[in-house]
Amino acid sequence: ETGVTQSPTHLIKTRGQQVTLRCSSQSGHNTVSWYQQALGQGPQFIFQYYREEENGRGNFPPRFSGLQFPNYSSELNVNALELDDSALYLCASSRDSSSSYEQYFGPGTRLTVT
Amino acid sequence: AQSVTQLGSHVSVSEGALVLLRCNYSSSVPPYLFWYVQYPNQGLQLLLKYTSAATLVKGINGFEAEFKKSETSFHLTKPSAHMSDAAEYFCAVSGPSGGSYIPTFGRGTSLIVHP
Repeated sequence: ETGVTQSPTHLIKTRGQQVTLRCSSQSGHNTVSWYQQALGQGPQFIFQYYREEENGRGNFPPRFSGLQFPNYSSELNVNALELDDSALYLCASSRDSSSSYEQYFGPGTRLTVT
Repeated sequence: AQSVTQLGSHVSVSEGALVLLRCNYSSSVPPYLFWYVQYPNQGLQLLLKYTSAATLVKGINGFEAEFKKSETSFHLTKPSAHMSDAAEYFCAVSGPSGGSYIPTFGRGTSLIVHP
């Protein structure tokens, strides 16, 4: 069983640019959640996708957007990058959207905005 | 609104000693509670979860946590620390928000294990 994978591993962007991060969910999982983890902080929920629809959103501006594809893989897009967007971005998949289902996390994408 | 407070950003123990990592939560509804571990340069791994069944929850790697509603606590313990337990630990609470469950994580506690 393949786990959650994320690409790229590391990324350096300039302020004002746009970035796309990718996540492949674990086999059999239809729900993907994205988190931002700033240095020394806990993960902060960005949004969740369930069967290709957004199913919940945290306190992040609209320039953070996402997609989920029919194979349940997902993308996180961030427009107009700001210095504070520098963080580890984590993707997690689960068998369903209920909170009782375990989330399986990928290793993350480290984004640096200069 | 829900929130999580992890007391102590760093906890240092000797190998073989008791591990106690503290977590207090607030939630307007009965919550789901989780402990995750994060090793350097890796994602989070679930240690254990509380979903309103038994109040004492046993997890992987010898960890357990007790849900105490009166104290709004969900502290993580392990009787005997191993060097391999050195990592960052996160407590999380999850409650319903609309049609989904939005998880809130604490800021994390770094566990340091001395030989």
